Amino acid sequence: AQTVTQSQPEMSVQEAETVTLSCTYDTSENNYYLFWYKQPPSRQMILVIRQEAYKQQNATENRFSVNFQKAAKSFSLKISDSQLGDTAMYFCAFSPSTSGTYKYIFGTGTRLKVLA
Amino acid sequence: DTGVSQNPRHKITKRGQNVTFRCDPISEHNRLYWYRQTLGQGPEFLTYFQNEAQLEKSRLLSDRFSAERPKGSFSTLEIQRTEQGDSAMYLCASSSRTGSNSPLHFGNGTRLTVT
Repeated sequence: AQTVTQSQPEMSVQEAETVTLSCTYDTSENNYYLFWYKQPPSRQMILVIRQEAYKQQNATENRFSVNFQKAAKSFSLKISDSQLGDTAMYFCAFSPSTSGTYKYIFGTGTRLKVLA
Repeated sequence: DTGVSQNPRHKITKRGQNVTFRCDPISEHNRLYWYRQTLGQGPEFLTYFQNEAQLEKSRLLSDRFSAERPKGSFSTLEIQRTEQGDSAMYLCASSSRTGSNSPLHFGNGTRLTVT
């Protein structure tokens, strides 16, 4: 079975500092996609960043970057220069691309609070 | 692109009643997903459609749950004989392009409370 694990239920960071959120996954697939989604309080979930497993280069989107370690099945999210608007639940998600299913599997989330 | 729209935003119902939720995906998206999210948890996959075909259903989706996407556009999720354990946020998401894992675009969800 494919699973996604986020071992940090809650984290906090001072404004302007850097924080890293952890995610590990388990799969026998060789090709797949990984995502980080952000869900602000009482607002809809939005995509933060996306990584394709066959690409060795880590994805970056402005202040957000990932550390993708395929052998270790690890996919962490680094937020640099944290802002108050980054306060949200963050979900790691996995989607296989070779098994014929396009189901997305989510972790349990990390609640991030950015402190002023 | 008006985004994914879900109605109603909130639904309160008594145990044993039937409820139906609607999802309107982004117009050019051919895949549509339903997820359930309880407080403090991640979204749990329920089912997904490619156009009008329902391609996969989770074992979480008991026979009281049914989803349709009759013309490959909007979708409905019906829960029959609701139970208190059905109380949750029901999220709809859509994505585009067959053959690739395009990111999901989520709606605001429908919060169901079963009393």
